[in-house]
Amino acid sequence: EPEVTQTPSHQVTQMGQEVILRCVPISNHLYFYWYRQILGQKVEFLVSFYNNEISEKSEIFDDQFSVERPDGSNFTLKIRSTKLEDSAMYFCASLMHSPEQFFGPGTRLTVL
Amino acid sequence: GQNIDQPTEMTATEGAIVQINCTYQTSGFNGLFWYQQHAGEAPTFLSYNVLDGLEEKGRFSSFLSRSKGYSYLLLKELQMKDSASYLCAVRADGKGANNLFFGTGTRLTVIP
Repeated sequence: EPEVTQTPSHQVTQMGQEVILRCVPISNHLYFYWYRQILGQKVEFLVSFYNNEISEKSEIFDDQFSVERPDGSNFTLKIRSTKLEDSAMYFCASLMHSPEQFFGPGTRLTVL
Repeated sequence: GQNIDQPTEMTATEGAIVQINCTYQTSGFNGLFWYQQHAGEAPTFLSYNVLDGLEEKGRFSSFLSRSKGYSYLLLKELQMKDSASYLCAVRADGKGANNLFFGTGTRLTVIP
């Protein structure tokens, strides 16, 4: 069964460093998403991406964040200058036409 | 904006039935989802309602009343492996991006 994959599974970084989180959505899916979940809190929408551009972004997704689909398979989330409060689980999801979004296993980001 | 409420925790006995309620207030409602999330893992899709009524899927059923802003997830014949968090999520119209907005989740503990 096709699945969304994410790398790395765990990323540790120093405050102020740039990180890139990588996702490979399910091939032939058209919509791509990033969500985050701070430990013990709810899953929060960050950004949606369709047709090679951002469709919508939340208040969390400020200028420190960017997304890119550099080729036909990868979908990346970049955080330019990480802050302590960026520590969270980051989930990528993709969608074809059905209502179900398929989530990847997540990347746990720890900012020290 | 979106406001989604669900109980924080519930406990039920193996073999029993449990109902997890969710109320929501949202603009541009376009569907309600239930996801299951085991600790440290990604959310996995359980059910989707866009019209009023009951959707049944094996041991899981989900109900929606749009006029009341209310949904519930019904789990029958509980098994120990059903111990997890159950996330209510609302899809809101936003440039067709199908973004999901999650509640805080209900942590269900199934006891023998």
